[in-house]
Amino acid sequence: DAGITQSPRYKITETGRQVTLMCHQTWSHSYMFWYRQDLGHGLRLIYYSAAADITDKGEVPDGYVVSRSKTENFPLTLESATRSQTSVYFCASRAHTNTEAFFGQGTRLTVV
Amino acid sequence: DAKTTQPNSMESNEEEPVHLPCNHSTISGTDYIHWYRQLPSQGPEYVIHGLTSNVNNRMASLAIAEDRKSSTLILHRATLRDAAVYYCIPSNYGGATNKLIFGTGTLLAVQP
Repeated sequence: DAGITQSPRYKITETGRQVTLMCHQTWSHSYMFWYRQDLGHGLRLIYYSAAADITDKGEVPDGYVVSRSKTENFPLTLESATRSQTSVYFCASRAHTNTEAFFGQGTRLTVV
Repeated sequence: DAKTTQPNSMESNEEEPVHLPCNHSTISGTDYIHWYRQLPSQGPEYVIHGLTSNVNNRMASLAIAEDRKSSTLILHRATLRDAAVYYCIPSNYGGATNKLIFGTGTLLAVQP
C-alpha cells in the first residue's frame, strides 16, 4: 500500500534499553522528518533528512540517532531510553520543500 | 528563522466561516506559508500553502497580506470535524525553514 507507515504503533521499554522506531514511505520522497509530541504539547522536530545519507539536527536531537541508507526508510534510535523520552513520535515525508508533508499515524512510546 | 504568532485558541459555531490569523513579520521573500492541522489523537495533516497570491483548495482558502507579514486561513463553513490545532509554518528551500518547524498553533473549538 502506498503511504507512510510507522512501526511499532505502541512500545513499552525500560530505562536504559535501546529502542528503534521505524518509518517507511513508498513515494520515494526526498525529505523525511521525525517529531516528538509530549502529552498536551506541540510537535518538536528531532531530526530531518533531505536525502539518503543526508541528515540534520532539529530542535531536540539529544539522545536520538538517525540514519538514512535508503530513501524510503528513516529509522530513529533511542540509544539509552530515559523516562523523559516517553512521548508520541511522528514521522513525516515530503517530495520537495514546498509540497505537502504526509505524516505517519504515530508511535506511542512509554519508557518505564 | 521566521517566527510566527497565532492566537492560542478560537471558537466558532458550526456552519459559520472561521478566519484563523497568523503573523509572520520576519518571513523571507522566498518563504512559502504552509498550514497544517492536527485533529485530536491524530498526526498532522496538510491544509494549504501559498507564496503571494490567495489560494483555494477543497479544504480551505489562504489569504496572504500584500506585505506578506500576515496570512489568514479561512474555513468557509466550519464543521465539528474541523475542531483541531491549526499551525502556520514558513517553509523555504534551503535554510532553517526547510525543516518544517511547528509552533504552538491555534486550538479551534467548533460548537454545534
